[in-house]
Order: sequence, then structure tokens, then C-alpha cells
Amino acid sequence: QKEVEQDPGPLSVPEGAIVSLNCTYSNSAFQYFMWYRQYSRKGPELLMYTYSSGNKEDGRFTAQVDKSSKYISLFIRDSQPSDSATYLCAMTRMIYNQGGKLIFGQGTELSVKP
Amino acid sequence: NAGVMQNPRHLVRRRGQEARLRCSPMKGHSHVYWYRQLPEEGLKFMVYLQKENIIDESGMPKERFSAEFPKEGPSILRIQQVVRGDSAAYFCASSPWGLAGASYEQYFGPGTRLTVT
Repeated sequence: QKEVEQDPGPLSVPEGAIVSLNCTYSNSAFQYFMWYRQYSRKGPELLMYTYSSGNKEDGRFTAQVDKSSKYISLFIRDSQPSDSATYLCAMTRMIYNQGGKLIFGQGTELSVKP
Repeated sequence: NAGVMQNPRHLVRRRGQEARLRCSPMKGHSHVYWYRQLPEEGLKFMVYLQKENIIDESGMPKERFSAEFPKEGPSILRIQQVVRGDSAAYFCASSPWGLAGASYEQYFGPGTRLTVT
């Protein structure tokens, strides 16, 4: 079983739709939860991060973490064609002086149609 | 403020040759992570380095792969005697200092796409 599971899609939605992207994980020690966006043949771009459980909002993006269910979500409101990309969830636990290697989901490919 | 820089962006090597991938972290960052993205797979952690120290190499293949981050200059990921299975995109990420040594924030470079023929 993978530590982080993410539906690879592809997911296709019309412009203006609300998009819901999700990941589940098995390691209860994870503390920080991130969402990255990766355009084709580019490096991942950090979108949002959340520490422990709760919600975080940034413009059209909302990240949710439910540690009791080991489930995280990213919502995109009023989706735009420019949001078309692969979205990667990632998580880590920080260990003093050992850093925090990121464990990634497989990524969900999103296409927003005009 | 320049982001994470990686070079070369594309690298073609024949089987048995050596590949050297370079990563210059963001200004003020002294922590570097290397990840590999194989076709149809997600990003996988390889190694975490601070200046002149390898902190976590739990994701590095046992043979042919090595990494360094010298006091001066970029971090280098070195692959000796490359095989076709090494073909992948290699990304480095840099991180500022945080309470755990490195921050949870990691900023990725554009990657080096290695093709082994």
C-alpha cells in the first residue's frame, strides 16, 4: 500500500466549475500537508500548505486537512483554463535537524475547458 | 530574486556514461532536496543535504548514485554508469532554515530531464 494515494484522473471540468481534489494517507505522523501545481514539463510550484487539521483559504483555493480520517482536499472555485495542470499532494513530518522529505501522491491531471 | 536553478535542463547520455546534474538553491537557502520523477510515477525523494553534509539519503539507490553540496558552488547529483532505467526528470528543491533544521517549505527548480540511450 502506498503511503499517499491520489486519483490520477484525468479530471475534465467546464470553466467556472468547482474542482475537488483529494488524497488519502496512511502515516499518522505526517504534520504538514502541501499542494503543488505542475504544468507540463515544468517544476512543481507550491500552492498551499496546512499544518495539522483545519482549513486554509487563499483566493480561489481552499485546502482542508482531516487528520482523523487521514484525508486532505484542495478545492478550486471558479476554475479557469489556466488552472489546467497536474496537482500533487505532498506531506511530511519534520524531524529536528533531519529536515522533512516530502511524500507525494501520484498527481491528478486537471483540464478546465473554456 | 532568482528561484532554484538547475542545469542542464536536458541531458542525453549513452549507457555506461556519467551524468552530473547541478542545482543552485534560492538565495539564502542552505538546504537542498533531490527528487526523481519517473514516467507514470510520482515524485520520489532521493536525498537531503545541507552545506557539506548529507543528512538523509534513504531514497538514494545503493549503487551508482551520489550527491554533494559543497561549501561553495551548487549541489551536484552524480549518476555513474547510467542505464536506461535512469531516464527520468530530476528535480531539486531548496528550503530555508526552520525549527527542524529545514523548513517544511520546499521550492522546486525546473528539473533536468535525463535521457539514456
